[in-house]
Amino acid sequence: EAQVTQNPRYLITVTGKKLTVTCSQNMNHEYMSWYRQDPGLGLRQIYYSMNVEVTDKGDVPEGYKVSRKEKRNFPLILESPSPNQTSLYFCASSFFSGSPYEQYFGPGTRLTVT
Amino acid sequence: EDQVTQSPEALRLQEGESSSLNCSYTVSGLRGLFWYRQDPGKGPEFLFTLYSAGEEKEKERLKATLTKKESFLHITAPKPEDSATYLCAVQNHNTDKLIFGTGTRLQVFP
Repeated sequence: EAQVTQNPRYLITVTGKKLTVTCSQNMNHEYMSWYRQDPGLGLRQIYYSMNVEVTDKGDVPEGYKVSRKEKRNFPLILESPSPNQTSLYFCASSFFSGSPYEQYFGPGTRLTVT
Repeated sequence: EDQVTQSPEALRLQEGESSSLNCSYTVSGLRGLFWYRQDPGKGPEFLFTLYSAGEEKEKERLKATLTKKESFLHITAPKPEDSATYLCAVQNHNTDKLIFGTGTRLQVFP
């Protein structure tokens, strides 16, 4: 089954404790992206990757890191989480972003930072 | 600045009562406009891509249309299972960035 998977689905952590949210897709998509979704603000892009070893900042990259060492995986790293990073996070993937291919979204990771 | 505005924020319909959701956009160059459905606690699910003004696409009770400034998602004779948040997004031709609206929360009552 074609899908985007994220782990963990739910995470409660404390300020400053490094964490990683994993994302994996099995559709051989070149393009992968991370979004956060907050009430009243909609989906905002954090980072994206157009292919292996190619990443770039989205609209709200501060406090986040990513890496793309393999085509299928795109982990999101919070080196020192803060309470304002409490949010619902989605990973998405699609074929090369140069065409308007639809993005497939993962099930989401709900993160709470206390 | 690229922007997407969806209205209304929330819509309550009786089963069978047809209506439309609006997505107004400004973008320096449109590569595509997308409609997604999002159920509570789940990721957005792709519905349609529209590329140019005048284009229409249909899927079951849903029909999406596109003009140079806005898109409509028409829902004909909705059922309770159509209840969800519907998201609109535009992709900028120059930057490839995807800009989302804040969505319309649709509730359909039996």
